[in-house]
Amino acid sequence: DAGVIQSPRHEVTEMGQEVTLRCKPISGHNSLFWYRQTMMRGLELLIYFNNNVPIDDSGMPEDRFSAKMPNASFSTLKIQPSEPRDSAVYFCASSLLAGPYGYTFGSGTRLTVV
Amino acid sequence: RKEVEQDPGPFNVPEGATVAFNCTYSNSASQSFFWYRQDCRKEPKLLMSVYSSGNEDGRFTAQLNRASQYISLLIRDSKLSDSATYLCVVTLNNAGNMLTFGGGTRLMVKP
Repeated sequence: DAGVIQSPRHEVTEMGQEVTLRCKPISGHNSLFWYRQTMMRGLELLIYFNNNVPIDDSGMPEDRFSAKMPNASFSTLKIQPSEPRDSAVYFCASSLLAGPYGYTFGSGTRLTVV
Repeated sequence: RKEVEQDPGPFNVPEGATVAFNCTYSNSASQSFFWYRQDCRKEPKLLMSVYSSGNEDGRFTAQLNRASQYISLLIRDSKLSDSATYLCVVTLNNAGNMLTFGGGTRLMVKP
């Protein structure tokens, strides 16, 4: 099992540019989560999907952020336009819907907006 | 007030020491509890679940006090490899599977 796969591992972009982060969950997992981690705020849940349907996006900071899950094996988190305060590590995690067990994180994308 | 609160540390201890971390949570409806471990520049990984009766996994012991809304993690005979950040995690219910993370407690074990 390859685990949760995120790409890219690192992204450096200029303020105002569009950034797209990608995630492939573990096959068979039907819940997918996007988290953001910073020193100041720790791990914050941005949005999660059950069976490809967005369930709770209340953690999405503002309209510049959007997330999609077009199928069970792929999700994207997009920031447009990006700002320096978006600099953080973005983690994707997947799990089985039934219960909080088997909650596996990807290696994360370290985003730097300059 | 944060939903899950932890002392950020760092806790600096010598090898072989026993160290305890505490965590409090604000939502009395929380039903599932976990400790995750996060190494520097890595993703969080599940360390252990926390059961009402308390549970042990080798050198690690987790305790839950629902009345006080308090969770603890005890590490005995600490090793250099235990150096990491330990995250206290709660969920509202077993079906909801949304994890709420504490800010983490950093542990540094010195030779």
